[in-house]
Amino acid sequence: RKEVEQDPGPFNVPEGATVAFNCTYSNSASQSFFWYRQDCRKEPKLLMSVYSSGNEDGRFTAQLNRASQYISLLIRDSKLSDSATYLCAVNRFTGGGNKLTFGTGTQLKVEL
Amino acid sequence: GAVVSQHPSWVICKSGTSVKIECRSLDFQATTMFWYRQFPKQSLMLMATSNEGSKATYEQGVEKDKFLINHASLTLSTLTVTSAHPEDSSFYICSATPLQMTYEQYFGPGTRLTVT
Repeated sequence: RKEVEQDPGPFNVPEGATVAFNCTYSNSASQSFFWYRQDCRKEPKLLMSVYSSGNEDGRFTAQLNRASQYISLLIRDSKLSDSATYLCAVNRFTGGGNKLTFGTGTQLKVEL
Repeated sequence: GAVVSQHPSWVICKSGTSVKIECRSLDFQATTMFWYRQFPKQSLMLMATSNEGSKATYEQGVEKDKFLINHASLTLSTLTVTSAHPEDSSFYICSATPLQMTYEQYFGPGTRLTVT
C-alpha cells in the first residue's frame, strides 16, 4: 500500500462549482500535512497546511481526520485558474530527519 | 520570502556525460535541502536529504555514487548526475526548509533533464 494515496482524477467541473479532494495516508506516525498545487511542468507550490481543527483560506478549506487518516481539500466557487494538479503531502520524522511524502496528485480541470 | 532557485532550468546532454544542478535558497538559510525526481504523470519521489556540512541521506533504491550531492553552505546544494543515461531523463526538483521552520518546504522551479 502506498504511504499516501489520492484519486488521480481528472475531475472536470464547471466554473463556480464546489469540488472536494480526499487523500489517505498509511503511517499513523505522520506529524504534519499539506496541500500543494502543481501546474503543468512546474514545481509544487504550497497551498496550505492542514490542521486537525480545520483551516480555511479564502475559497479553500482543508480538514484533517487523524482517526481515519485522511485529509481533504474543498474548493468553493472554482475558477478557471484553479485548474492544476493538487498534491497532498505528509511529513514525518525519520532517522534521517523530516521526510515529506507526496501523493500522485489529483488533476482538476475547471471549464466554462 | 522563501525563494528557492535552481539552475539550469533545463539541460539536454549526451549519454555518458555528467550534469550538475544547483539549488539555492535566495533569501533564507536552510540547514536541510531535499532533492526530488518526478517522471511524467507520477508524483515527486524523494531521492535524498541533504544537510549542510554532512553527507546526504539517500532513499532506498537511489544510487549515491550516481547522484552526488554536495551541501557546502546554508544556501547552496548541488546534485550531480554522473554518467547520465536516457532513463535518468526526468524533472529534478529541490526544496529547502528555512532554519526557523521545521516542516515546511519551499521548492525550486525544477530542472528538466533530457539525456539523448
